[in-house]
Amino acid sequence: SQQGEEDPQALSIQEGENATMNCSYKTSINNLQWYRQNSGRGLVHLILIRSNEREKHSGRLRVTLDTSKKSSSLLITASRAADTASYFCATANNDMRFGAGTRLTVKP
Amino acid sequence: GAVVSQHPSWVICKSGTSVKIECRSLDFQATTMFWYRQFPKQSLMLMATSNEGSKATYEQGVEKDKFLINHASLTLSTLTVTSAHPEDSSFYICSARVVRAFLNSPLHFGNGTRLTVT
Repeated sequence: SQQGEEDPQALSIQEGENATMNCSYKTSINNLQWYRQNSGRGLVHLILIRSNEREKHSGRLRVTLDTSKKSSSLLITASRAADTASYFCATANNDMRFGAGTRLTVKP
Repeated sequence: GAVVSQHPSWVICKSGTSVKIECRSLDFQATTMFWYRQFPKQSLMLMATSNEGSKATYEQGVEKDKFLINHASLTLSTLTVTSAHPEDSSFYICSARVVRAFLNSPLHFGNGTRLTVT
């Protein structure tokens, strides 16, 4: 079974704008990870945030985690057309389960 | 580093035949590999967890006799779709976790296998 839900399901923005994607999950977690998937390809790990962390940055990525609300957000700043992809959150316990994903389209 | 090779990248087979998908960790050892299935524009659904040297753990609703998983070494896991039917057509993705790294480590994914059963 899946673990969580992302919203929005789809997001379309102009290059240079920021993109925010949200993820909610159901059970307690050890950490939460965000992945990116280009169409028809495997997933690429973007960033991991541990359950005792509240915010983490990596380049143009900013991730927040609110364990009391069981939610996380991924912010991509100054988006580029190459950021067009699907983004998934995944919760890690003994295995890794993925949310429904957000399909991001960045228009040049 | 941490490259996972999945082969084949796509396969077309006739209904009733079996198809084997390989997942190899090229530059690291993986105690655990996961197999996922993904339908178009949907998320990854965990099918089974494959542990080296032991039987795979299947998710509820996944037929273990239909989706045979073998994890014979620390660098290779295989998924065999037996007696494939058109409803088995999907995108199958494997992922691996580095030995000795556990929960606080990312998964490394293969590029997936597009299976089409005619």
